[in-house]
Amino acid sequence: DAGVTQSPTHLIKTRGQQVTLRCSPISGHKSVSWYQQVLGQGPQFIFQYYEKEERGRGNFPDRFSARQFPNYSSELNVNALLLGDSALYLCASSLGRPFTDTQYFGPGTRLTVL
Amino acid sequence: DQQVKQNSPSLSVQEGRISILNCDYTNSMFDYFLWYKKYPAEGPTFLISISSIKDKNEDGRFTVFLNKSAKHLSLHIVPSQPGDSAVYFCAAGGIFGNEKLTFGTGTRLTIIP
Repeated sequence: DAGVTQSPTHLIKTRGQQVTLRCSPISGHKSVSWYQQVLGQGPQFIFQYYEKEERGRGNFPDRFSARQFPNYSSELNVNALLLGDSALYLCASSLGRPFTDTQYFGPGTRLTVL
Repeated sequence: DQQVKQNSPSLSVQEGRISILNCDYTNSMFDYFLWYKKYPAEGPTFLISISSIKDKNEDGRFTVFLNKSAKHLSLHIVPSQPGDSAVYFCAAGGIFGNEKLTFGTGTRLTIIP
């Protein structure tokens, strides 16, 4: 079975631009969460979607938005990019709610903002 | 405010010996704890979890211990193998109405052959 997939693998943008990151969960998984991992830190929670509804939001500005589609795939959008948005963006999926079911992570998208 | 802390950025252990990774938390509302392992260029891989109703959970070479009164958990790996060399993250969660995992900053474990 395919694991969580994310695209693109790497991305280079300039300040002020907008970016869209994509995530496909494991087949049958209905929950998708997004995390930002800055170098030297642990992943920081951004959003969680379950059954296409937002169920949680971390301490990130409104420039960050996400959505989940009927097939449970998800997109993370970041507007007006700042240098500090450079990070590894991780997507995780689980069968149901994150604490009743284990979260499985994708390989991440490495975003560099110049 | 770092609610989940891994105070040892790195740890080196001889192959075959026990590796002990530690994690402390401050939020008493956490009731579910996990350990993830991360290799370079890969996402974190789930290792083992424990809920707050238990104080120990075992899975093969991996055992997690939870001390709720001390707000401390540890991961024991016995025996340590070269493939265990990776960054280990402790994570915690609870039903706050905003379901998320809070991660520590990670401990880089190096197994010396």
